[in-house]
Amino acid sequence: DTAVSQTPKYLVTQMGNDKSIKCEQNLGHDTMYWYKQDSKKFLKIMFSYNNKELIINETVPNRFSPKSPDKAHLNLHINSLELGDSAVYFCASSQGQWGEKLFFGSGTQLSVL
Amino acid sequence: AQSVAQPEDQVNVAEGNPLTVKCTYSVSGNPYLFWYVQYPNRGLQFLLKYITGDNLVKGSYGFEAEFNKSQTSFHLKKPSALVSDSALYFCAVRDSGGGADGLTFGKGTHLIIQP
Repeated sequence: DTAVSQTPKYLVTQMGNDKSIKCEQNLGHDTMYWYKQDSKKFLKIMFSYNNKELIINETVPNRFSPKSPDKAHLNLHINSLELGDSAVYFCASSQGQWGEKLFFGSGTQLSVL
Repeated sequence: AQSVAQPEDQVNVAEGNPLTVKCTYSVSGNPYLFWYVQYPNRGLQFLLKYITGDNLVKGSYGFEAEFNKSQTSFHLKKPSALVSDSALYFCAVRDSGGGADGLTFGKGTHLIIQP
């Protein structure tokens, strides 16, 4: 009955590979997000998405792309992985865009070797 | 642009003592302010928010925060700390006028409660 679930929890891969992280929410929320948390715990928004609008943080490389098959899912696809992509990636959801209360998944720790 | 400052990387408090985790913010309009807590290997959890109204906001687990417009601060407080309060705390802000910046988080403060 987890509200926001993401898989896998850990992802270890080689430079240059393409990988995806999946996220699902069962809260009926209409907006989902991807955040990146670096090794110093700094948290930065990557994308916000509802069924009408995708907002991209301009600092995010275009190797990163969100894909939403439906309102309950927002997957993160990463092409040509680089060492600097190593971080913890969090999915979150809210009711309404930039809704007051975000619900976070437990994170995916990505290690690029 | 909007920003949040959490001036302390770490705060150490003895169990049973009051605690304060500091946060100051900058927005062009009126602020919406939030506190989130992160336990090890977990996602962030919402603690409390200030949108409008009473400057003293009460939240989960006995935490409260006071909005001070003149000092642009939103410090997190608890009257009596528990060892289980030890975690990473994030302050966040967004401009009430909206905009693509969304929610901006501070860099986090490690709260350590010593038995």
